[in-house]
Amino acid sequence: DAKTTQPPSMDCAEGRAANLPCNHSTISGNEYVYWYRQIHSQGPQYIIHGLKNNETNEMASLIITEDRKSSTLILPHATLRDTAVYYCIVGSYNTDKLIFGTGTRLQVFP
Amino acid sequence: DAGITQSPRHKVTETGTPVTLRCHQTENHRYMYWYRQDPGHGLRLIHYSYGVKDTDKGEVSDGYSVSRSKTEDFLLTLESATSSQTSVYFCAISELSSYEQYFGPGTRLTVT
Repeated sequence: DAKTTQPPSMDCAEGRAANLPCNHSTISGNEYVYWYRQIHSQGPQYIIHGLKNNETNEMASLIITEDRKSSTLILPHATLRDTAVYYCIVGSYNTDKLIFGTGTRLQVFP
Repeated sequence: DAGITQSPRHKVTETGTPVTLRCHQTENHRYMYWYRQDPGHGLRLIHYSYGVKDTDKGEVSDGYSVSRSKTEDFLLTLESATSSQTSVYFCAISELSSYEQYFGPGTRLTVT
């Protein structure tokens, strides 16, 4: 599975959009990009995933570059409850395992 | 929330004692996973199961064994606990070939 690179930490003002980047330059054609987040001491929570098209759901948007070597998770109107560690994961759909890295710690401030 | 429970939620045990953690699901999902989480390491996969009696190793399986005799239960056993196994343990479930995993609340294990 491809490796991902994320900044260790980011800040965002409440009400503003939070844009979390992820580099996955070794991604292969059948690999998806998945995003999870973990709010302090809770189990991780699935957010969104995509292959090559941009995706949006009630929680976030996922923008994948045309070459698929990077992606951005967008929280359109961050709230204090969005403070969490965000994990970007890449893997093929028929692989059984998720490999988590250390993620990006997003701090939303008032 | 997905129906996943873990027991116990907290445990303190001594070095050398056996410990079993239980994960129970009510979603009838095929896949179940055990992770551990330590500061500076994020989540690391210990073992996973893709069906009753079908299990495989993850990236940090040494010192751990698992069993799954029923769809709803996945047990993680530390045969002889060591201090390096002090951690928070998370169970997760997913449907067939899905990366949408749903996590339990975690078990905090301290080995003294």
